[in-house]
Amino acid sequence: RKEVEQDPGPFNVPEGATVAFNCTYSNSASQSFFWYRQDCRKEPKLLMSVYSSGNEDGRFTAQLNRASQYISLLIRDSKLSDSATYLCVVTGTDKLIFGTGTRLQVFP
Amino acid sequence: EADIYQTPRYLVIGTGKKITLECSQTMGHDKMYWYQQDPGMELHLIHYSYGVNSTEKGDLSSESTVSRIRTEHFPLTLESARPSHTSQYLCATAGTGHNEQFFGPGTRLTVL
Repeated sequence: RKEVEQDPGPFNVPEGATVAFNCTYSNSASQSFFWYRQDCRKEPKLLMSVYSSGNEDGRFTAQLNRASQYISLLIRDSKLSDSATYLCVVTGTDKLIFGTGTRLQVFP
Repeated sequence: EADIYQTPRYLVIGTGKKITLECSQTMGHDKMYWYQQDPGMELHLIHYSYGVNSTEKGDLSSESTVSRIRTEHFPLTLESARPSHTSQYLCATAGTGHNEQFFGPGTRLTVL
């Protein structure tokens, strides 16, 4: 079993849709959680950190459920520019553990 | 502006050549990392460093080596390149006390 598991997608959604990505992790000792965005053939970029109380940044909302070891990312009012792969990331022992990513394709 | 630089951005080289991929940062971060990523696949950690003269191997076995003589630089060397080394190599940094990592633009390596 992978330490971080994500649905690989692709998620194909129309502009304006709301889309949710889920992620589960196996290490109950993980302390920090992040969502990264990676465009095709580019480097990953930090989208947002995920806090226990949940947090929001514009159209993006991240939630953490420690009991279920589950992280989510909600994107509201999807834009064409949101098309990318979204990586769920958790802390392991001295390093970050990256999920394989969920691909999002927003169409007009 | 603080940033992370990787050179070269693209490299096509023949089998058996020695190559060094450069990574430098102006962010003043102590922690630096090298990842390998094939197209559409997950990131694999191959080396990391927590400061000058500190280097560790990552999760993915790699024939490459690294050095950390200066805080700003973390070069990766392949003594004898092979076609199986063809991949994208991404360098990342993180500040002390912080876990979030920031990535350079990557080096896309092709070994013929």
